[in-house]
Amino acid sequence: GQQVMQIPQYQHVQEGEDFTTYCNSSTTLSNIQWYKQRPGGHPVFLIQLVKSGEVKKQKRLTFQFGEAKKNSSLHITATQTTDVGTYFCAGRRVGSQGNLIFGKGTKLSVKP
Amino acid sequence: NAGVTQTPKFQVLKTGQSMTLQCAQDMNHEYMSWYRQDPGMGLRLIHYSVGAGITDQGEVPNGYNVSRSTTEDFPLRLLSAAPSQTSVYFCASSYGGLRSSYNEQFFGPGTRLTVL
Repeated sequence: GQQVMQIPQYQHVQEGEDFTTYCNSSTTLSNIQWYKQRPGGHPVFLIQLVKSGEVKKQKRLTFQFGEAKKNSSLHITATQTTDVGTYFCAGRRVGSQGNLIFGKGTKLSVKP
Repeated sequence: NAGVTQTPKFQVLKTGQSMTLQCAQDMNHEYMSWYRQDPGMGLRLIHYSVGAGITDQGEVPNGYNVSRSTTEDFPLRLLSAAPSQTSVYFCASSYGGLRSSYNEQFFGPGTRLTVL
C-alpha cells in the first residue's frame, strides 16, 4: 500500500539552530498536511499544501510541496524550546477515497 | 465549542475484557475517524465514518468495531482486548468529506489504554 516516509525519525538541536524534516510519498498526493504533537498531547493541525511547488510560511516555519507533489518539507529557522514535539506529515493520495496517510513523524528536541 | 472530546483519558483492561472508547464532537463535522498511536509507528487509521450511518475500515481494523448513529458521536469498541491493543487512541473529525479539498483534522485529547 501507499507509504508516506518521513525522515529523520529524531533530531536533537541546540536552541537557535535550524531544523528540517522531510516527507516522501511513493505516489502523487492531492495535498499534504502537517501536524505538531507536543509531548503528552494530541496532534494539532499546522498547515495544508495543495499546489505543486507551493511554499507557505508561518513565522519561523516554512513549508514546501514538491513540484511532482510527492514530497514535502518543514523547515524551522532558529529553533526555540517551544518547538519541541513531534512533527507529522499526512498525505492524501490522488484518486483515493481521501483518507490521510500519516508519516511516522520526526521527534524534535531542543537543548537550551 | 468543546471541539473533540474523548473519554476515558486512561484505562487499564485485562486480556479478554471489552470496552467502548467514547468520542464526541460539537462542530457538526461529517468526517470522523479513529487512530492508534504506537511508539515509532505514527498514526494508523482504525475506522472512519463519512456521516451518520456510514462507517468503513481503515488500515488496522481487526479487533475493533465502530458505529455512527449520530453526527456527533463515534464510539470505538474493543471486542476482546489483547495486549497488542495497548496504545494511545485518538479520535479526529473534519468538516470536509473525503472529497473535500480542505479537511483539517481536529484531534481529541486521546485515551491511553493498557491491556494486561
